[in-house]
Amino acid sequence: QVQLVESGGGVVQPGRSLRLSCAASGFSFSGYGMHWVRQAPGKGLEWVAVIYFDGSIKHYGDSVKGRFTISRDNSKNTLYLQMSSLRAEDTAVYYCARDRGGVVAVQPDYWGQGTLVTVSS
Amino acid sequence: QSALTQPASVSESPGQSITISCTGTSSDVGGYDYVSWYQQHPGKAPKLMIYDVSQRPSGVSNRFSGSKSGNTASLTISGLQAEDEADYYCSSYSSSSTYYVFGTGTEVTVL
Repeated sequence: QVQLVESGGGVVQPGRSLRLSCAASGFSFSGYGMHWVRQAPGKGLEWVAVIYFDGSIKHYGDSVKGRFTISRDNSKNTLYLQMSSLRAEDTAVYYCARDRGGVVAVQPDYWGQGTLVTVSS
Repeated sequence: QSALTQPASVSESPGQSITISCTGTSSDVGGYDYVSWYQQHPGKAPKLMIYDVSQRPSGVSNRFSGSKSGNTASLTISGLQAEDEADYYCSSYSSSSTYYVFGTGTEVTVL
């Protein structure tokens, strides 16, 4: 069965960097687009970024453009999110999600359980 | 990025039906059939309930159905059950400055 396990969350100071990882199993990772989605405490879902199956296409949400970088290592079945210049408003649970598949990666289906990132001094 | 607009909350008795609306623009909901709906119970990850406007993933109850008219998509839950009490989010591909957008979320309460 599809399994996604996020790691790398924690407490980080404003302005610092952090890298999240998402280990995938139970499906052919290299054949699917992948998303990062976040949820601030008590708030709704916010889409963060997507990377296509081969890493050739990436898109970012407006609030993280220029600060976050999504990447993947298909040989390790792992998705990454490099976060820099972190701000208090980046505090959230970060979920990785597999895309359902198709010509465009626009529909996350399976989700991990999330990892909490807290940006605080 | 502007979120799609959903009602903040909907309440109904068990066995009844509810419909949750999701209003966007011609750049997202109205322009593409890439509307999805997610159910999220407290402290849990979201679960895909509807994709491509009206398609149900395997294992999702047929009490859940989706539709779209113009710039507004809808999720209908029929025969409401206690286990349906959760937050529901719509989402869509967007051709505007952001690529993908979620709705503001709707809290469903089963009375």
